Amino acid sequence: DTAVSQTPKYLVTQMGNDKSIKCEQNLGHDTMYWYKQDSKKFLKIMFSYNNKELIINETVPNRFSPKSPDKAHLNLHINSLELGDSAVYFCASSQGPGLEQYFGPGTRLTVT
Amino acid sequence: SQQGEEDPQALSIQEGENATMNCSYKTSINNLQWYRQNSGRGLVHLILIRSNEREKHSGRLRVTLDTSKKSSSLLITASRAADTASYFCATDHSGTYKYIFGTGTRLKVLA
Repeated sequence: DTAVSQTPKYLVTQMGNDKSIKCEQNLGHDTMYWYKQDSKKFLKIMFSYNNKELIINETVPNRFSPKSPDKAHLNLHINSLELGDSAVYFCASSQGPGLEQYFGPGTRLTVT
Repeated sequence: SQQGEEDPQALSIQEGENATMNCSYKTSINNLQWYRQNSGRGLVHLILIRSNEREKHSGRLRVTLDTSKKSSSLLITASRAADTASYFCATDHSGTYKYIFGTGTRLKVLA
């Protein structure tokens, strides 16, 4: 009965590959997010979705494409992976804008 | 950069002592939240303080907010080894869907 789940937990891949990370929340929240946490632990928002609609796209390269098939899911697809994409990616959800967020356990992506 | 600043970057204290960490931000906010992140885990929400509030308590946590100085502090009283984690502040600006996180404070509580 995990509130926000992500798969996979670890992802190791080579440069140039395409990969996806899946996120699901069972909290009934309308809003979902993707964050990137770098090696210095800086946490930066990438995307916000509300009711399956993209609200925030924080100057993320076009290689990153989020997809929300329904309110409970927000997946992240990354094309042509680069070394600099190595980081921990967190999915989160909230009932609405500005409210407390519930985070998933993270996906550690390593690009070699 | 819009990144909020937290200080200290790292803090090491003995069990039973109090821990104080500070957060400064740059633009006006709707609310400010504090989160805890244990090593290798996701963030956990601790407390939310609105821009019209000055102080808030939750168990051993006390948060203050000074909007004139654009700063907040988180006090953890009677710390325990289990409080060892990184602590982040996050600001919400005018009810947008965008949260700006601080740089984090790594707290180590020694048993």
